[in-house]
Amino acid sequence: GQQLNQSPQSMFIQEGEDVSMNCTSSSIFNTWLWYKQDPGEGPVLLIALYKAGELTSNGRLTAQFGITRKDSFLNISASIPSDVGIYFCAGRTNTNAGKSTFGDGTTLTVKP
Amino acid sequence: EAQVTQNPRYLITVTGKKLTVTCSQNMNHEYMSWYRQDPGLGLRQIYYSMNVEVTDKGDVPEGYKVSRKEKRNFPLILESPSPNQTSLYFCASSPRTSGRSYNEQFFGPGTRLTVL
Repeated sequence: GQQLNQSPQSMFIQEGEDVSMNCTSSSIFNTWLWYKQDPGEGPVLLIALYKAGELTSNGRLTAQFGITRKDSFLNISASIPSDVGIYFCAGRTNTNAGKSTFGDGTTLTVKP
Repeated sequence: EAQVTQNPRYLITVTGKKLTVTCSQNMNHEYMSWYRQDPGLGLRQIYYSMNVEVTDKGDVPEGYKVSRKEKRNFPLILESPSPNQTSLYFCASSPRTSGRSYNEQFFGPGTRLTVL
């Protein structure tokens, strides 16, 4: 099936620093999604992107849908301790409704 | 409270002993799905359901069965569990099967399964 390559695998940063992570795919997606998973819980949707080139913000988070439709990035500005968790990208296509492909996740650690 | 519930939350079992993990949502969602999460592999989709009596395979369906007899419930069945099915399992649901609300998947709290 389709695969998403997410990088970096993990990040250790100081509180207040900005963070950037990205996802790439060998095939096109029509929708890109970014989720966050807190320890011991299920993922929660952060941002959904629907058009190539789209740039969307949610508070300190900003995500972009790549022009080629094969990539997406997520930025977190001025990180805080509660940003700790695993961030997943996910992609969906219009031709295969129902299927979701997830990246392997980026584990973020924020040092106070 | 609107939520997706899974039971049990933790289960240790032995190879070959049939088990069922239940999933229930109280939001009248059409779409439901099962994922497994393994270290370094992210979430992989096992099965999904677009509506009652409509189910389809995800990327890793081998060794699993599902059913969708009622809108609110989507149980995951392991007929003969094996150690390679040791994993963290998540159920999810979303309001629609198309359109933007389709992407707003709500995840349950997870079920940690260990097969000895």
